[in-house]
Amino acid sequence: AQSVTQLDSQVPVFEEAPVELRCNYSSSVSVYLFWYVQYPNQGLQLLLKYLSGSTLVESINGFEAEFNKSQTSFHLRKPSVHISDTAEYFCAVTGGSQGNLIFGKGTKLSVKP
Amino acid sequence: DAGITQSPRHKVTETGTPVTLRCHQTENHRYMYWYRQDPGHGLRLIHYSYGVKDTDKGEVSDGYSVSRSKTEDFLLTLESATSSQTSVYFCAISSLDRVTEAFFGQGTRLTVV
Repeated sequence: AQSVTQLDSQVPVFEEAPVELRCNYSSSVSVYLFWYVQYPNQGLQLLLKYLSGSTLVESINGFEAEFNKSQTSFHLRKPSVHISDTAEYFCAVTGGSQGNLIFGKGTKLSVKP
Repeated sequence: DAGITQSPRHKVTETGTPVTLRCHQTENHRYMYWYRQDPGHGLRLIHYSYGVKDTDKGEVSDGYSVSRSKTEDFLLTLESATSSQTSVYFCAISSLDRVTEAFFGQGTRLTVV
């Protein structure tokens, strides 16, 4: 069965510092990969996705993620974070038998001034 | 934003009572999902639907039932609520030719006392 591992449950950083949120998945077949963001008391919003093509994908608010097939990773990065990036981030992969997404346990990003 | 409405947004109920949560979509998407979110567990699939009157179990379906009599509505029923079902429940939809992405509702916070 597919699984997703988010290696850090909490990541505290200072504003304007770079950040990397790590995600590894278990699969020997082609997958689609996603990062979702959840702001406090809200639902999940799609941040970015990898379906095919270029292994580097970007979001409109400066995040990027790189699909690495050999390392089965899809780490999320941002070169300079803002206070408003404080949220919980979920990595997800296709592969549920029902076509559903399989989620990691989430990483709470806390950006401090 | 995808047109997904969950109701109620908050509910407190007593142990042993039945509870029904509603998910309504205006996107005419074929697939609908119910997830629960718990600290340290991420999101786990409860039930899903792949069409009107077509439903199936997910990872954590015990104690839950669902119904889908119309494309736009997907109901989740806790047959006899228990404290372990205190959680935040999210509905999601996808068109899912294969898997592209899922859109999430705002969530229902359920407390069983």
